[in-house]
Amino acid sequence: EVQLVESGGGLVQPGGSLRLSCTASGFTFTAYSINWVRQSPGKGLEWISYISSSSTTIYYADSVKGRFTVSRDNAKNSLYLQMNSLRSEDTALYYCARDRMGFTPTIDFWGQGTLVTVSS
Amino acid sequence: SYELTQSPSMSVAPGQTASITCGGDNIEKKSVHWYQQRPGQAPVLVVYDDRDRPSGIPERFSGSNSGNKATLSISRVEAGDEADYYCQVWDINDDHRGMVFGGGTKLTVL
Repeated sequence: EVQLVESGGGLVQPGGSLRLSCTASGFTFTAYSINWVRQSPGKGLEWISYISSSSTTIYYADSVKGRFTVSRDNAKNSLYLQMNSLRSEDTALYYCARDRMGFTPTIDFWGQGTLVTVSS
Repeated sequence: SYELTQSPSMSVAPGQTASITCGGDNIEKKSVHWYQQRPGQAPVLVVYDDRDRPSGIPERFSGSNSGNKATLSISRVEAGDEADYYCQVWDINDDHRGMVFGGGTKLTVL
């Protein structure tokens, strides 16, 4: 069974930092690109980052570029999102999501998310 | 950057067909993917590459893409289809690549 389990969310003050983790199981992690997608309370989906299977290709949304850094450790079947200079608008449920590896990036499996709240 | 436009909400009676649209400039040149998100749950891919269904998704879900509009059709709508539906494409331009989601359409089953 494919599983993606996010962790590391919590309450952080504006300007602070947080590191999210995503642990994968049930599939060959090294064969898949992974995305981070977030959803603010009551709002829609917002893609924020993509990392290829070997970490050679990384993309970020403009809203997080320069503040967030994605990385992965294939030996540990894990993905990370280092979030710095956090703002209130970064408050959201953060999903780790597997790429389907089709013609264009598409998500075929999502974790359940970890909640990040940025507030003083 | 590329934008996808969806109507915020629509309603349909059980047994009828729901047509959820996603507008974008020359969207027919892109591969469009659709996700269903039930309340309190993670999204689920229901259509990819305009019209293909992942395994386990009922044939009632179908997709099309032409002109400036992509459409997700749900035939014989059931109460369990009540959810938010999002379209998504991959955007490439000179200085940026990334996923773009539509704003979502809330489908209410009357």
